[in-house]
Amino acid sequence: QVHLQESGPGLVKPSETLSLTCTVSGGSVSNGDYFLAWTRQAPGRGLEWIGSIYFSQTTYYNPSLKSRVTISADTSKNQFSLKLKSVTAADTAVYYCARGDKRGTAYGGSLDMWGQGTVVSVSS
Amino acid sequence: QLVLTQSPSASASLGASVKVTCTLSSGHSTYAIAWHQKQPEKGPRYLMKVNSDGSHIKGDGIPDRISGSSSGTERYLIISSLQSEDEADYYCQTWDTAIQVFGGGTKLTVL
Repeated sequence: QVHLQESGPGLVKPSETLSLTCTVSGGSVSNGDYFLAWTRQAPGRGLEWIGSIYFSQTTYYNPSLKSRVTISADTSKNQFSLKLKSVTAADTAVYYCARGDKRGTAYGGSLDMWGQGTVVSVSS
Repeated sequence: QLVLTQSPSASASLGASVKVTCTLSSGHSTYAIAWHQKQPEKGPRYLMKVNSDGSHIKGDGIPDRISGSSSGTERYLIISSLQSEDEADYYCQTWDTAIQVFGGGTKLTVL
């Protein structure tokens, strides 16, 4: 059974860089049938896709966040990471990592496995 | 532009059935979507993928009383024999190439 677990600081100062890691167990981040994604949910808001990374290391980002986001993967540790720079209070949210099933498609697919989430607050 | 539209709220009585709707934007009637359940203080839970022909593939452990269907640009999540544990937010999700899109969510209240 695949399990995803987010980790990282719960508090980030405005203008600094938010850094989170997702550790995948029970499966490989290099499995070409799947991709990995970061999403978030701000207080009182819905789910928002941040970006995805594929086994080829190709990344795709939400156009509204693209200029500030970097997603990368460390296959040796079976982890993938999110960096969001120049954060503001609007980036305060619960951040989730997820696995996407791309079988039958070239890119994209259902997010079929989720982490439990990690709360990140942006405040001085 | 690919957009998913959901009603903000829905309600039904304990033991009854409810249909939650996700509407794809015009021109996207062939797109599949996924349904996710979001309970407070928990991570989202994948429920199923619903294809344009109404076929659906459920996630592990999703009970038989939860199903999906499709009609035109509408994708449905159907929950029968409603239980108190079904009270949650439900999100639909789709993709256009590698861009993921979420609906705004429907808050389901079990009366």
